[in-house]
Amino acid sequence: AQSVTQLDSQVPVFEEAPVELRCNYSSSVSVYLFWYVQYPNQGLQLLLKYLSGSTLVKGINGFEAEFNKSQTSFHLRKPSVHISDTAEYFCAVSGNSNYQLIWGAGTKLIIKP
Amino acid sequence: ETGVTQSPTHLIKTRGQQVTLRCSSQSGHNTVSWYQQALGQGPQFIFQYYREEENGRGNFPPRFSGLQFPNYSSELNVNALELDDSALYLCASSLQGENTQYFGPGTRLTVL
Repeated sequence: AQSVTQLDSQVPVFEEAPVELRCNYSSSVSVYLFWYVQYPNQGLQLLLKYLSGSTLVKGINGFEAEFNKSQTSFHLRKPSVHISDTAEYFCAVSGNSNYQLIWGAGTKLIIKP
Repeated sequence: ETGVTQSPTHLIKTRGQQVTLRCSSQSGHNTVSWYQQALGQGPQFIFQYYREEENGRGNFPPRFSGLQFPNYSSELNVNALELDDSALYLCASSLQGENTQYFGPGTRLTVL
């Protein structure tokens, strides 16, 4: 069975500072990995995804993530955050034969002015 | 290109009632998945529909049922509503064989 752990429920960071949101997964099969963002009272928007190939994945809004198979991690990073990045971020995984997404509990990114 | 749309936006029901939520998939997508997101939690997979048939189901009781229509739109039906069914219900569409799902804005269901 697959599972996803987001280690931090909240991450406060000053505006223009770098940020890393952590995601670890467990799976006995090859996986596909995703980061979604949810702004208040809205649905989920895809930030980036890892399907295969280069382990460094670039997404929208200046975010990037690195797939680390040995550490079973897929941490999300941004070099300089903006107040508009305030949102909840979800990491998700799916297997290659089952497109069901398994989700982490989410990390709230709080930008301090 | 039209994105995923859901209706209604908000809904209030009482325990024991039945509810139907609707989803229109993104243009060209033939697969629809439904998720339940309780307050403060990540989404939980309910089921997926492809070619008008259920193509996978999560750990939800049979009172959660669905339909997919020939135009790929979908309905989620919940019978005998319970207080714990209060949540944001998210619909996602995708192309069968591709792994990326695109989400609608959700329907907020409150059960009193």
